[in-house]
Amino acid sequence: QKEVEQDPGPLSVPEGAIVSLNCTYSNSAFQYFMWYRQYSRKGPELLMYTYSSGNKEDGRFTAQVDKSSKYISLFIRDSQPSDSATYLCAMRAGANSKLTFGKGITLSVRP
Amino acid sequence: GAGVSQSPSNKVTEKGKDVELRCDPISGHTALYWYRQSLGQGLEFLIYFQGNSAPDKSGLPSDRFSAERTGGSVSTLTIQRTQQEDSAVYLCASSLYGLQLTDTQYFGPGTRLTVL
Repeated sequence: QKEVEQDPGPLSVPEGAIVSLNCTYSNSAFQYFMWYRQYSRKGPELLMYTYSSGNKEDGRFTAQVDKSSKYISLFIRDSQPSDSATYLCAMRAGANSKLTFGKGITLSVRP
Repeated sequence: GAGVSQSPSNKVTEKGKDVELRCDPISGHTALYWYRQSLGQGLEFLIYFQGNSAPDKSGLPSDRFSAERTGGSVSTLTIQRTQQEDSAVYLCASSLYGLQLTDTQYFGPGTRLTVL
């Protein structure tokens, strides 16, 4: 079992839809959780990060962490065609540890 | 300011040849990371530099892979005797400190390597 599992996708939704992207993890040492967005032929860019269980909101994006279930989610409200990209979850156990990424899910938002 | 840059952006090589991939991190960033992104495999960590030292090289897949960093800045990833399974996008990232939990990694655009 990989340390981080992410829904494989791809995912296609109409403009304006609410999108839910999910990752599960097995390493209970993970304490720092991130979502990266990667446009085609570009490097990933940090979208959101959170430390603790609960929700963190930034505009149309909400990151949710449930440490007891080892489950994280990214919600996108009022999705736009410009949100079409690959979304990768990433996690880190400690200050000296590497980032462990999910495989990524490709989202397409249809106008 | 300038972001992380990588060169070349694309590299096509023949099986058995050596290749060198270059990464220029953001100025002042002490930490530098190499990742490999293959279709269906996500981002795989290869190696991490703090300054010119590599405290974690656990992700290098074989002894054909090596990396160095000089002057606390530019890094080169070398793949010797390339194999077809080395075909992937090689991504470099840098961060300001590297040793803090919240340190953000900034990625370059990657080098797309194709081994024929």
